[in-house]
Amino acid sequence: SQTIHQWPATLVQPVGSPLSLECTVEGTSNPNLYWYRQAAGRGLQLLFYSVGIGQISSEVPQNLSASRPQDRQFILSSKKLLLSDSGFYLCAWSPGANVLTFGAGSRLTVL
Amino acid sequence: AQKVTQAQTEISVVEKEDVTLDCVYETRDTTYYLFWYKQPPSGELVFLIRRNSFDEQNEISGRYSWNFQKSTSSFNFTITASQVVDSAVYFCALSEALSGYSTLTFGKGTMLLVSP
Repeated sequence: SQTIHQWPATLVQPVGSPLSLECTVEGTSNPNLYWYRQAAGRGLQLLFYSVGIGQISSEVPQNLSASRPQDRQFILSSKKLLLSDSGFYLCAWSPGANVLTFGAGSRLTVL
Repeated sequence: AQKVTQAQTEISVVEKEDVTLDCVYETRDTTYYLFWYKQPPSGELVFLIRRNSFDEQNEISGRYSWNFQKSTSSFNFTITASQVVDSAVYFCALSEALSGYSTLTFGKGTMLLVSP
């Protein structure tokens, strides 16, 4: 069966520091991968999605970037965090145009 | 542009009461999918149901039921005989059906509090 892993689960970072959140999927190949952000406890916003290695589509221009170095690995990064980057980040995968399965999330607090 | 509206920010009920969560959507697509997800306090989103735009049959799964009405662009979710474990934030979402990926547009969610 397929599983999705996200880490770290929680992160507290100072303003201006870098960020790296990692997501991996097991038990499937060539999944579509997604990063969503949930700010202030509500409202899920799509940040990035990827339909293949090296293919990244950005939905919202911001201080973040994403990369897909391997088929089942999706990384969310920032060179310098802002206070507004605080939130709950959710990785998800889907086998094509289908139901999204979400990871457990990474809670980021920028101080 | 697609839009999903969940007008109810928070609902409080007492255990065993029935509760309906409203969802209204906007899309120009003729083919699309509608979803409901549950987010318990742990944070992980749990898939509940997917409906395509051609299937207007209502669905029942245990205590959960969904009413899809294309004429009013609504996809409402009813929990019968609510339980404390139903306490969570519930999200309605919409996606296009034609692309090879699923970029869901979520509503802002409805927080359901079920007290004993």
